[in-house]
Amino acid sequence: NAGVTQTPKFRVLKTGQSMTLLCAQDMNHEYMYWYRQDPGMGLRLIHYSVGEGTTAKGEVPDGYNVSRLKKQNFLLGLESAAPSQTSVYFCASRPDRPGYEQYFGPGTRLTVT
Amino acid sequence: AQKVTQAQTEISVVEKEDVTLDCVYETRDTTYYLFWYKQPPSGELVFLIRRNSFDEQNEISGRYSWNFQKSTSSFNFTITASQVVDSAVYFCALSRFSGGGADGLTFGKGTHLIIQP
Repeated sequence: NAGVTQTPKFRVLKTGQSMTLLCAQDMNHEYMYWYRQDPGMGLRLIHYSVGEGTTAKGEVPDGYNVSRLKKQNFLLGLESAAPSQTSVYFCASRPDRPGYEQYFGPGTRLTVT
Repeated sequence: AQKVTQAQTEISVVEKEDVTLDCVYETRDTTYYLFWYKQPPSGELVFLIRRNSFDEQNEISGRYSWNFQKSTSSFNFTITASQVVDSAVYFCALSRFSGGGADGLTFGKGTHLIIQP
């Protein structure tokens, strides 16, 4: 049981390049989330999904797109990376029970130069 | 809008001292959940505790204890007899009660706890 995994662990992009971060969970969780963590800012919600085929915006969605084609996977895309998107990205999932804790992946460190 | 405030950016204590991390929250919801997560230097997020707004009982787990006071909108975390391994960034977080999954966590900015040997 791997829990929540994220690919890749590290990535360096040039401004304007695109990339996709992959999150996978093997716990059959309905809900999945993408957060970003910046120094001194805590974690902020980018997008979330309440089930396969559904996505919704969080607190800081601009510049990102997401897709949930399969229940176990939640993809985060950057179409045209900007230096302001340099951050650590965390994926999380949780079961369909109100207030249940979220399980986090190990994070992806992205640097945009 | 929801908000979580962790006013202590960094705390440094000597091993074996007790330390309390403060968390104050704002929400208009009557039903909500509060969480504490630990982020050690390795970077992963470790769940510590969940508390719902109906349950104001304090909780103790080994050297860790949590004090939830609805009257002051606070959910403070105390480590007794701190150890070097407790050094980490600790986050307090708030979520709405929602059966629809629209309850992403609102995090505080975190408190960096340094335990010196």
